[in-house]
Amino acid sequence: KQEVTQIPAALSVPEGENLVLNCSFTDSAIYNLQWFRQDPGKGLTSLLLIQSSQREQTSGRLNASLDKSSGRSTLYIAASQPGDSATYLCAVLMDSNYQLIWGAGTKLIIKP
Amino acid sequence: SQTIHQWPATLVQPVGSPLSLECTVEGTSNPNLYWYRQAAGRGLQLLFYSVGIGQISSEVPQNLSASRPQDRQFILSSKKLLLSDSGFYLCAWTRGPSRQYFGPGTRLTVT
Repeated sequence: KQEVTQIPAALSVPEGENLVLNCSFTDSAIYNLQWFRQDPGKGLTSLLLIQSSQREQTSGRLNASLDKSSGRSTLYIAASQPGDSATYLCAVLMDSNYQLIWGAGTKLIIKP
Repeated sequence: SQTIHQWPATLVQPVGSPLSLECTVEGTSNPNLYWYRQAAGRGLQLLFYSVGIGQISSEVPQNLSASRPQDRQFILSSKKLLLSDSGFYLCAWTRGPSRQYFGPGTRLTVT
């Protein structure tokens, strides 16, 4: 059974720092991995999707990497800003179905 | 472009009352549709998903049910709400194994 873990559960850093959020999964037979952002009381916003055959994806100051064989993904945020404060969730899509398996999220606070 | 709507945005209901939450998607056809619940301080729990009209799969046994009367409409219902049904309900859609897009959510408080 696939399990997705996100470490740390919470992170507080000063503005301007580069930071890394971690996501690990137990079953490497994934179809893709997705990173989402959730602001308090809001729905989720899709940030990046990495196909199982890809190593990384980039969008602006965000870079997500995938090491499928070791069951790990990282979300790198460059030059963090207070507006980046949110909960970041990763989820993996398994082969043969369209259900995402979710991590519990990392709550990120960027201090001005 | 595709958009997803949910209503109502907030709802306060007494225990034992019925529930109907609606989700509609615009700008796509034959989407896969999902209902999630997010309890306070907890992760996302998949409740139902649908790959087509009238096709509903349930992930968690409970007093909730879902229906898909039209291709882009997904409804979450209950005949009698429990206190434990309180939470943030999110609808999402996807086309095959691609990005999943979420609606704005409905905050349900059962009193």
